Amino acid sequence: QSALTQPASVSGSPGQSITISCTGTSSDIGTYNYVSWYQQYPGKAPKVMIYDVSSRPSGVSNRFSGSKSGNAASLTISGLQAEDEAAYYCASYTTSSTLVFGGGTKLTVL
Amino acid sequence: EVQLLESGGDLVQPGGSLRLSCAASGFPFSSGGMGWVRQAPGKGLEWVSAIGGHDTYYADSVKGRFTISTDISNHMFYLYLQLNSLRAEDTALYYCARSTGYWMFDYWGQGTLVTVSS
Repeated sequence: QSALTQPASVSGSPGQSITISCTGTSSDIGTYNYVSWYQQYPGKAPKVMIYDVSSRPSGVSNRFSGSKSGNAASLTISGLQAEDEAAYYCASYTTSSTLVFGGGTKLTVL
Repeated sequence: EVQLLESGGDLVQPGGSLRLSCAASGFPFSSGGMGWVRQAPGKGLEWVSAIGGHDTYYADSVKGRFTISTDISNHMFYLYLQLNSLRAEDTALYYCARSTGYWMFDYWGQGTLVTVSS
């Protein structure tokens, strides 16, 4: 199972919106609406920000949103804040009943 | 409050074995599933294994070498990962995580470090 494809880095200024893409295949993103997004700060455990493509866990800011089209998913962060600077990983359930992560995207808030 | 506490990480020689443990509390033991996710130094997240009920699942990179299991003892729930035939590329921080379904992990431990080196 190959990793999902994410850009290595994205950047944006405070207040702007950014989108992180995540490309998979018909064996994962293309088949299931079980895409999740995780935020990870250096030296910390990951935290789920979006699950089931576009659902937000309780306590996660509504500035975070997710979507999917075909074999690709995306995470959008609106109204960028300095505290959003972190690594973001997408993940998808697969037709083998396993999970596959993306390579991760480093978000820099300028 | 959900708590996950991993232990068992260590320095081990190539070809060696190790058993990781994760003590879980604060949620019904019968709910959802549990899994292990690892992160090599400076690298991204890699799903390793998961268990739901009596069903177990493994990444191709560890299939046949790692075994996931659970146990309940003294009112505590434990998740284990037996690591055999270890390789240098298994060096990573291993996280224990709780899944609510389809391997969406909503709670994570702080990780236990496995280093495979001679």
